[in-house]
Amino acid sequence: DAGVTQSPTHLIKTRGQHVTLRCSPISGHKSVSWYQQVLGQGPQFIFQYYEKEERGRGNFPDRFSARQFPNYSSELNVNALLLGDSALYLCASSLVQVVANEQFFGPGTRLTVL
Amino acid sequence: AQKVTQAQTEISVVEKEDVTLDCVYETRDTTYYLFWYKQPPSGELVFLIRRNSFDEQNEISGRYSWNFQKSTSSFNFTITASQVVDSAVYFCALSEARGNNRLAFGKGNQVVVIP
Repeated sequence: DAGVTQSPTHLIKTRGQHVTLRCSPISGHKSVSWYQQVLGQGPQFIFQYYEKEERGRGNFPDRFSARQFPNYSSELNVNALLLGDSALYLCASSLVQVVANEQFFGPGTRLTVL
Repeated sequence: AQKVTQAQTEISVVEKEDVTLDCVYETRDTTYYLFWYKQPPSGELVFLIRRNSFDEQNEISGRYSWNFQKSTSSFNFTITASQVVDSAVYFCALSEARGNNRLAFGKGNQVVVIP
């Protein structure tokens, strides 16, 4: 079975632009979470979606938004990009939204903002 | 609020030596889970181990073992007989019952295994 997939793998944007990152969870998984990992730091939680509804949001500005589709895939959108948005964006999927549920991570999308 | 602290250091060991990584956490929940993840140079986070707050029994899984002590809020992780393939960044993470399965990560430990 395929693991979590993310696209694109790398992306270069300039300040002020908009970006859309995509994630496909493991088949059968209904929960998707997004994390931002700045170089040299641990991942920071951005969003969690379960059954197409937002179930959690981290401490990120409104420039960040996301959604989950009927097939449980997800998009992360970032508007008005800043240099500080340069990071590895990780998507994780889990079977259900339960605290003990193991989260499976994708390879990430590396975003560079110039 | 949940918080995880790892002394952000680069740890170098010679192959076959043991390496222990320290993790201290903060939480107000009585129900929580602790995790260790490995991030190789490829970037993908790989799940290693999970422990719930009600089970302080320390275990060994292959070359991995962990020491969970609620009294000191620590969840230390040991790799026995390290191998070059163990070279990676290791993250400790906490998930609280109130936060569903949102993970709070520490800053990570870079482990370098020298052949």
